[in-house]
Amino acid sequence: NAGVTQTPKFRVLKTGQSMTLLCAQDMNHEYMYWYRQDPGMGLRLIHYSVGEGTTAKGEVPDGYNVSRLKKQNFLLGLESAAPSQTSVYFCASSYAGDFGYGYTFGSGTRLTVV
Amino acid sequence: AQKITQTQPGMFVQEKEAVTLDCTYDTSDPSYGLFWYKQPSSGEMIFLIYQGSYDQQNATEGRYSLNFQKARKSANLVISASQLGDSAMYFCGGTSYGKLTFGQGTILTVHP
Repeated sequence: NAGVTQTPKFRVLKTGQSMTLLCAQDMNHEYMYWYRQDPGMGLRLIHYSVGEGTTAKGEVPDGYNVSRLKKQNFLLGLESAAPSQTSVYFCASSYAGDFGYGYTFGSGTRLTVV
Repeated sequence: AQKITQTQPGMFVQEKEAVTLDCTYDTSDPSYGLFWYKQPSSGEMIFLIYQGSYDQQNATEGRYSLNFQKARKSANLVISASQLGDSAMYFCGGTSYGKLTFGQGTILTVHP
């Protein structure tokens, strides 16, 4: 089924550990986004990409890095996890960054940092 | 930069009644889009409705309508004939310069 797949769905990390979240889409979308969702804060944009090989900072980029080496994949990395990064992470993709083409969301990754 | 504001943390409505969820936006982009998503307790993001900044008429999708008032920079969601299944978190958002930005969300509870 076409869509956005996030891996893993759940993860528990210890403070200081590193990890990478993978977002994969098979819709040939140009634009991809990483968000974090926290109670009372809505979804906040971490980083986004407007095409293969490009990345840009969103509202809350500190503590995260991203890469878009292949068009279909957008990776979110935490180099040294902190408890403040406990959150639900969502990935989204879009054909052209204009909602007229629609945005597709993944099912989310629940990350706990202890 | 675009900013989306939802000032209602929670709303309650009686089943079969209409409810309006508020959303205001601020952007310097002359071309932008506004939309609403629903997030039930399962966590998935469900697209509801979209309005382009140049659209002349308010968007309508079934029981959902978007009350777009450009001068007031508001994009309120109106749900008619509320159903128990409408109980969920609702996010207003906007697209501007390729970025997709969301508000804080409103939790809607529908009472029988």
